[in-house]
Amino acid sequence: EDQVTQSPEALRLQEGESSSLNCSYTVSGLRGLFWYRQDPGKGPEFLFTLYSAGEEKEKERLKATLTKKESFLHITAPKPEDSATYLCAVPSGSARQLTFGSGTQLTVLP
Amino acid sequence: ETGVTQTPRHLVMGMTNKKSLKCEQHLGHNAMYWYKQSAKKPLELMFVYSLEERVENNSVPSRFSPECPNSSHLFLHLHTLQPEDSALYLCASSQGEGAEQFFGPGTRLTVL
Repeated sequence: EDQVTQSPEALRLQEGESSSLNCSYTVSGLRGLFWYRQDPGKGPEFLFTLYSAGEEKEKERLKATLTKKESFLHITAPKPEDSATYLCAVPSGSARQLTFGSGTQLTVLP
Repeated sequence: ETGVTQTPRHLVMGMTNKKSLKCEQHLGHNAMYWYKQSAKKPLELMFVYSLEERVENNSVPSRFSPECPNSSHLFLHLHTLQPEDSALYLCASSQGEGAEQFFGPGTRLTVL
């Protein structure tokens, strides 16, 4: 059974304090890994797609990387507006569905 | 309107009511999805429609009934719900199966 595990569950950072979020996965044949940001009471917002080990994507203060077993979302010099829950997901089963992790709730304090 | 829209944004209903959630995507995608998101739990896939045909039904109770009249619209008909059905219901769309999905803002459903 495909599984996606995210850690930590919650992370509190001071503004400017860089850190990384982890997404480890167990799938039979990776067909991509997606990162999303979700603000309270809203739908997830698509951030990145990674397809192969070694691939990296960047957007503002966020950089996503991928290995054969896990993905990291690196946050450099975060700001309070980066506070959100970050989700990762992989296509699974028939690839008609995504298996989501439980998310990391990030809080950036001013 | 752009992206994926959902109406209503908030819904309170009694256990004997019948209501419907509406989703519309303006991205030209050919697959649409319904998800349920409960507090402290991962997103749960409910239904998948590909080219207007239902292709996945993840053991969802029959009190939830989806409808996809065309590739841009998706409905979720609700009847005789239970309090444990209270959650955020999210619609998403994608171009092709296994591709990144784009989500609507969700409908916050409360069942009394």
